[in-house]
Amino acid sequence: QVQLQESGPGLVKPWETLSLTCTVSGGSISSDYWSWIRQPPGKRLEWIGYIHHSGSTNYHPSLKSRVTMSIDISKNQFSLKLGSVTAADTAMYYCARIPAPGTVDYWGQGILVTVSS
Amino acid sequence: DVVMTQSPLSLPVTLGQPASISCRSTQGLVFSDGNTYLNWFHQRPGQSPRRLIYKVSNRDSGVPDRFSGSGSGTYFTLKISRVEAEDVGVYYCEQGSHWPATFGQGTRLEIK
Repeated sequence: QVQLQESGPGLVKPWETLSLTCTVSGGSISSDYWSWIRQPPGKRLEWIGYIHHSGSTNYHPSLKSRVTMSIDISKNQFSLKLGSVTAADTAMYYCARIPAPGTVDYWGQGILVTVSS
Repeated sequence: DVVMTQSPLSLPVTLGQPASISCRSTQGLVFSDGNTYLNWFHQRPGQSPRRLIYKVSNRDSGVPDRFSGSGSGTYFTLKISRVEAEDVGVYYCEQGSHWPATFGQGTRLEIK
């Protein structure tokens, strides 16, 4: 069974860059698409974007100017960078697999990232 | 963006009784390939979401058959035929037919 695990700092200062990595086990990252989804406290889940093993990406329009996703097939990992963060970016961040168009199935356990000085 | 609206937001249910959650979208969800990418997830406290239903009515492996999904166009429903204690938590609908994909605000199911 595919498992995903997020890692990275739990605290980021305002206007700095949030950097997270998702490590995939139990399956190869050289297939499917891979996504980042977040949930601010008390708010609904929100897509950030997704990346294909080829490196092609698609980002949420409202975050597009600040987001970069990358993939490292040799490490079976993919990453998220979100620049110029503010308190509004405080959220639980999840990575998830996209096995087919229009849906995700396996999720990581999530990592809480707080933006604060 | 397509807005997904769920109701009710809170759903107290007696064990063994049925439950139903509705989800409306501001646009039709039929994708260009003819599929309707409407999914349902369940999130227990302290856990990540688990997919229950994909493409309106397809149950994921291991999901009890007391869960069923239906609907078309802009109106969709998740039904639980007999609620069990393990069903507590928050249920989300999600549309993947239009980018950005979007989630409903969640329905919290609790046991009376």
